[in-house]
Amino acid sequence: TQLLEQSPQFLSIQEGENLTVYCNSSSVFSSLQWYRQEPGEGPVLLVTVVTGGEVKKLKRLTFQFGDARKDSSLHITAAQPGDTGLYLCAGAGASGTYKYIFGTGTRLKVLA
Amino acid sequence: DSGVTQTPKHLITATGQRVTLRCSPRSGDLSVYWYQQSLDQGLQFLIQYYNGEERAKGNILERFSAQQFPDLHSELNLSSLELGDSALYFCASSVDPGPGANVLTFGAGSRLTVL
Repeated sequence: TQLLEQSPQFLSIQEGENLTVYCNSSSVFSSLQWYRQEPGEGPVLLVTVVTGGEVKKLKRLTFQFGDARKDSSLHITAAQPGDTGLYLCAGAGASGTYKYIFGTGTRLKVLA
Repeated sequence: DSGVTQTPKHLITATGQRVTLRCSPRSGDLSVYWYQQSLDQGLQFLIQYYNGEERAKGNILERFSAQQFPDLHSELNLSSLELGDSALYFCASSVDPGPGANVLTFGAGSRLTVL
């Protein structure tokens, strides 16, 4: 059972456009992370958010943790071809467990 | 290089066979996680070990088993393989078991193809 649903599943946009990826769950997490995975490699951590309502910025990427710590969003401003990849959210600490549960993934392709 | 080493990188085998995937965690990390990723899918959590002990279990089939050894390396054993077991298997490590703001460092994965 997948606890974390991401939308959209696939996204193909032109360079310079903005986009938002959503990560939703019915479970409360103690922290939520976003990873990016490129072909042939393992996921690489982008950010961790731990406080409800928290907003973190990483250059053109803005991450927000929902007030109830059940959902998160990733907004990319002025997307570039280098942003292409599979974006995965991961929630930790649901129901007091040690599991890191990953979302269904959003595959982003940015066209030059 | 993430510091997490997985072997083999690629493995092709037949249905009904058994394979072992190996993971060496990043130096200093005590916790090891195993994930399965099928084509174009997210990662399915299989199992987690911390300092040699099982800490959390996910959707791991009974045909699969894992362990973490005293030197902290881990092995994932897959037996009675089926076509549907073909996937990328990732190992990740972290300093402590969480669930806090741990950083999971992933290896490059082992690609298993069952024919």
